[in-house]
Amino acid sequence: ETGVTQSPTHLIKTRGQQVTLRCSSQSGHNTVSWYQQALGQGPQFIFQYYREEENGRGNFPPRFSGLQFPNYSSELNVNALELDDSALYLCASSLGRMYTGELFFGEGSRLTVL
Amino acid sequence: TQLLEQSPQFLSIQEGENLTVYCNSSSVFSSLQWYRQEPGEGPVLLVTVVTGGEVKKLKRLTFQFGDARKDSSLHITAAQPGDTGLYLCAGESGGSNYKLTFGKGTLLTVNP
Repeated sequence: ETGVTQSPTHLIKTRGQQVTLRCSSQSGHNTVSWYQQALGQGPQFIFQYYREEENGRGNFPPRFSGLQFPNYSSELNVNALELDDSALYLCASSLGRMYTGELFFGEGSRLTVL
Repeated sequence: TQLLEQSPQFLSIQEGENLTVYCNSSSVFSSLQWYRQEPGEGPVLLVTVVTGGEVKKLKRLTFQFGDARKDSSLHITAAQPGDTGLYLCAGESGGSNYKLTFGKGTLLTVNP
């Protein structure tokens, strides 16, 4: 059973650029959620994808967008990067939309915006 | 906006000591989870509590969910250096809102 994998692990971008982060969910999981964790903070919910459809969104602007593919892997896209977008981006997979089940996080993608 | 306040924010203790960290909110949660996160890694789920007043034990860790489902505590007995990490609580508000609301965490350091 493979766990949640994210790529890239680290990347540096400049303001105004665009970035795509990728996540492979745990085998058998159909739900992927994305979180942003700024330094010294807890993770903040960006959005969730369930069976290829967005299933809920946090307080993030439209320049944060995502996709989920038929194999349940997912992408997070951020356009027009700002300095405050520097953070650890976490992907979490689960079986189903509810969180009373087990939620598995990847190790994250560390984004630095200069 | 639902908020989870964790206290203390930082805790540094010696091996063998006991400790309790707290997670409080003015909002009711349908379930609450505790995670531990180590540097450079994602959070790892420790426990989920669902019922008000519920107590769960995981070896030296004891988790309690408040009767009103607004607060929770994590007690560690005889802490070990391997317990070092960021402890995060996260609440699910239920209904069609499937997000988890996280606290800022308690950074625990257990010194040998």
